[in-house]
Amino acid sequence: QKEVEQDPGPLSVPEGAIVSLNCTYSNSAFQYFMWYRQYSRKGPELLMYTYSSGNKEDGRFTAQVDKSSKYISLFIRDSQPSDSATYLCAMRLGAGGTSYGKLTFGQGTILTVHP
Amino acid sequence: DGGITQSPKYLFRKEGQNVTLSCEQNLNHDAMYWYRQDPGQGLRLIYYSQIVNDFQKGDIAEGYSVSREKKESFPLTVTSAQKNPTAFYLCASIGQGGSPLHFGNGTRLTVT
Repeated sequence: QKEVEQDPGPLSVPEGAIVSLNCTYSNSAFQYFMWYRQYSRKGPELLMYTYSSGNKEDGRFTAQVDKSSKYISLFIRDSQPSDSATYLCAMRLGAGGTSYGKLTFGQGTILTVHP
Repeated sequence: DGGITQSPKYLFRKEGQNVTLSCEQNLNHDAMYWYRQDPGQGLRLIYYSQIVNDFQKGDIAEGYSVSREKKESFPLTVTSAQKNPTAFYLCASIGQGGSPLHFGNGTRLTVT
């Protein structure tokens, strides 16, 4: 079983839809949670970065973390064609000698938003 | 403009040849990383370096080697011992205090 499982998709939605992307994880030591967006033939870019359980909002994006259920989500409101990309969840252990860049990634979900 | 530059964008090699992928950053970051991305598998850590002249193996280091002679540069060599070298390779770096990982735009390596 992989440490991080991400709903594989692909997802295809009409413009304006609400999109929900999800990951589950098995390692309760993960403390920091991230969502990256990756356009075709580009490197991933950070969308959201959260530490604690709860919600964090940034414009049309909301990241949700439920540590008790080991479940994280990314919601995209009013989706746009420019949101079409691969979305990757990522997480890492806490501090204390661990390299901050050692992330464990989900498999990625390909999202297409059509006009 | 600060960032991470990976070159070349596309690389083609014959089986049995070693190949070196370049990664340069001007962000003044101490720590640098190499990840490999395969379709449907997310990213997997190959090697990382937290300081000049020091580096550690990641989860899939077999068949790869790195060096870190300068803070700005962290080249990755894909050796002939790597059984499945065709992949998208991503270099990343991170600043102090646990700031998020910052990626370059990758090198797509095809070995035939």
